[in-house]
Order: sequence, then structure tokens, then C-alpha cells
Amino acid sequence: GENVEQHPSTLSVQEGDSAVIKCTYSDSASNYFPWYKQELGKRPQLIIDIRSNVGEKKDQRIAVTLNKTAKHFSLHITETQPEDSAVYFCAASKGGSYIPTFGRGTSLIVHP
Amino acid sequence: DSGVTQTPKHLITATGQRVTLRCSPRSGDLSVYWYQQSLDQGLQFLIQYYNGEERAKGNILERFSAQQFPDLHSELNLSSLELGDSALYFCASSPPGPLSGNTIYFGEGSWLTVV
Repeated sequence: GENVEQHPSTLSVQEGDSAVIKCTYSDSASNYFPWYKQELGKRPQLIIDIRSNVGEKKDQRIAVTLNKTAKHFSLHITETQPEDSAVYFCAASKGGSYIPTFGRGTSLIVHP
Repeated sequence: DSGVTQTPKHLITATGQRVTLRCSPRSGDLSVYWYQQSLDQGLQFLIQYYNGEERAKGNILERFSAQQFPDLHSELNLSSLELGDSALYFCASSPPGPLSGNTIYFGEGSWLTVV
């Protein structure tokens, strides 16, 4: 089955810095890669996703890149703010299977 | 609000007891997923139902069972509860969609504390 590795497990940055979270996946058939943000005690919320037919997608301060050849994808957050502090999960899924495989999460801490 | 409704939001029960968690998916969604999240842990996939049928099983204990009813709501039954079952249980749903994969939407979760 699919295996998703996520790094780092914890990321501490100063407000205004950029943050990058990286994920690798094992199944080359995976073609959908969502990212979720989970604030403490809350539900994971989808913040951005990318499908395998594109290499990059942006939404304001958030961007995701995908390298299908290397089987890795990354979340980039620019101009970080304290409210970006949360746990971020990456996931991968493929056609015919509706179960996304999640990474173990990255705890992002943005210091004011 | 994701549109996925879970009840109860909080539940405290004793070891050895049995509880039922309830989930209503988003309107139009046929798939329901159950996840367990323990303190400082990731999202552990338990089980998935699609239009009333079990579709996939993850790390679900034999003491746990689930079902999806004709109206598409789902229930997760946890029995012979142990202290280690204390966790946040999420239900999620996804729509029927193209073969390229579907976004899943999480409910607010049910906090279970076993004492």
C-alpha cells in the first residue's frame, strides 16, 4: 500500500519567515495530494490540494509543489503569522481508492 | 463548518463500558470514514463505508465495529473500553467523484475519555 513520509515533525520559525514542509510517497499511481491544517482540538481542514497533472498551485501565502518523478510534494507558507501555528498533514490518494494515506503531521510554531 | 455532523462532542465513560459515536455525512456524500487521533498522534484510519457497504478496513480493533445505515449516517461502536481508547474520533465524508481521488471533509470530532 501507499506510504507517506512527512518531514520535519516540528518546525519553529519567526513571524514573517517562510516555512516548508515536505512529503514523499511510495505509490507512483497516487494522483491527488491534499494538505490539511489542524488547530489544537479542532478538526483537520483542507487548505490546499494538487492533482498530478500540475506541478504547482498557489493560494495567497500558501503554495504546493509536486515532483512526480521524485514522488515528493511540498507545502510552502510565506510571510508566516502566529495564526499559522498548527499541525499540518499531507496526504496522497489514487484513482479507484478513496482512502487518502496521511503523513504523521508537522507541528508548525510561529513565534511573534 | 464542513457539513459533517458528529455526536456527542464529548463523552466520559468508565473502563469496560460501551459507547456509540454517531456521524452524519455531508449532503450527497456516499463515503464515510472513521479516524482515531490519540494525544500527539497522527490520524489513524479505522474503517470506511461507501453507500452502506464496508469498503476498507484499517487499524480497527476487534472491540470496535461500525456500520452505515440506508440514510447514510454511520455509527462507530466501541466496546470493552480501555484507558488507551481515550482519543478524538473523527468522522469524515467524501463525495462520489472522478477516479483521480476525492477530498475528504472532517467533522468536529468526538472526544472520548475513558476513566
